[in-house]
Formats: sequence, C-alpha cells, structure tokens
Amino acid sequence: EPEVTQTPSHQVTQMGQEVILRCVPISNHLYFYWYRQILGQKVEFLVSFYNNEISEKSEIFDDQFSVERPDGSNFTLKIRSTKLEDSAMYFCASSATETLWEKLFFGSGTQLSVL
Amino acid sequence: TQLLEQSPQFLSIQEGENLTVYCNSSSVFSSLQWYRQEPGEGPVLLVTVVTGGEVKKLKRLTFQFGDARKDSSLHITAAQPGDTGLYLCAGAQSLNRDDKIIFGKGTRLHILP
Repeated sequence: EPEVTQTPSHQVTQMGQEVILRCVPISNHLYFYWYRQILGQKVEFLVSFYNNEISEKSEIFDDQFSVERPDGSNFTLKIRSTKLEDSAMYFCASSATETLWEKLFFGSGTQLSVL
Repeated sequence: TQLLEQSPQFLSIQEGENLTVYCNSSSVFSSLQWYRQEPGEGPVLLVTVVTGGEVKKLKRLTFQFGDARKDSSLHITAAQPGDTGLYLCAGAQSLNRDDKIIFGKGTRLHILP
C-alpha cells in the first residue's frame, strides 16, 4: 500500500533555531496537510496546501511557520525560530482528488524536541 | 469552535469482552472518521461515516453515526490484544475538499490477555 514518508523521525534542536521537517506524500495525491500532536494532547490541524498554495491554516500556524512544495515530490514544514512549546510530533498527511473525508493518509511523524 | 469529546479516556478490559467508546459533540459534522494510532505512528483511518444513523462494520468493529450527526460510537465485539491502541474520532466541518479535520483526544484501549 502506498504511504506517506516523513524524515527525520526524530529532530532535536535548540530554542531559536530553524528546523525543516520533510514529507513525501503519496505520488498521485494533490492535497497536503500538516498536523501536530503535543504529548498527551489531541492531534491539531496546522495547515492545508493545494495547487501550490495554502488553502487553510489554523491559529497555531503563525508567521514562524511556512510550508513549501519545492519539487514534485517533497512537502516541507519550516519553523523559523523554534520555541519550547513547538515540541511535538508533527504529522504530514495527504489525500487524493476526491473529497477530503474519503481517505486521509498520515505519515509516521517527526518527533520534534526543542531544548 | 467545534469540539469532539471522546469517552472514556482510558479503558482496560479482558480479552473476549465487548466494549463501546463514544465520540460526542454539540455541533453537527458533515462526516466523522475513526482512526487507530499506534505508539510512534501516525493515525490510520478505520472508517468514515457520512449519513446520519449510518452503521458500518469492519470485522468485529461496528461504527455508528448518530441520527443528528453530532455523535458516533465504536463497538468492539470479543476484544483481542491486537485491538490495543489509541482510537481517535475526527470530524470534517464541511464537505469541501480542502477543509480541515478536527480530532478528539482519543480513547486509549488496553486489552488484557
């Protein structure tokens, strides 16, 4: 079965540093998402991306966050200046051209630890 | 803000028993999904329910969407240790393709052998 791939699986960084989380969505999917899950908390929506632009973003997704699809396969989330509260598991997800709720595939996540 | 409340938060039962977990909201959702998440992994979609009153079965798992589309339940018959995991419900606010899915906090299920 096709899968969403995320790298790295773990990322440790110092507060104030920039991090880039990488995702390779399923090849024929056109809708891409980032979610995060703080330890013990619920999965929270960050941003959706379609046709090379942001479709929707949550209030968590402030100016410190950005997303990019630099080529035909990668989808990245950049945090410019990390804060302690950015520590979380970050999930990338993708879906096909059909309605969102038909099938959303999640990657295994990147565990980000900000020290 | 639409919220999804899941109950119970934790559930530990013996193998072979039946159980039901719930997902409730004061808001109407266009669809509700159930995911299962293993430690260190992303959520994996189990089922999507769209129509009020809809019932879907996946082997020993039965999912129901409330008539008013504000709640859902997951019933597991004859639970097995392999059913252990975090069960998340998630709702789509609309049927728009680029809409977001909102997650509940989940029910952590542990089946004792």
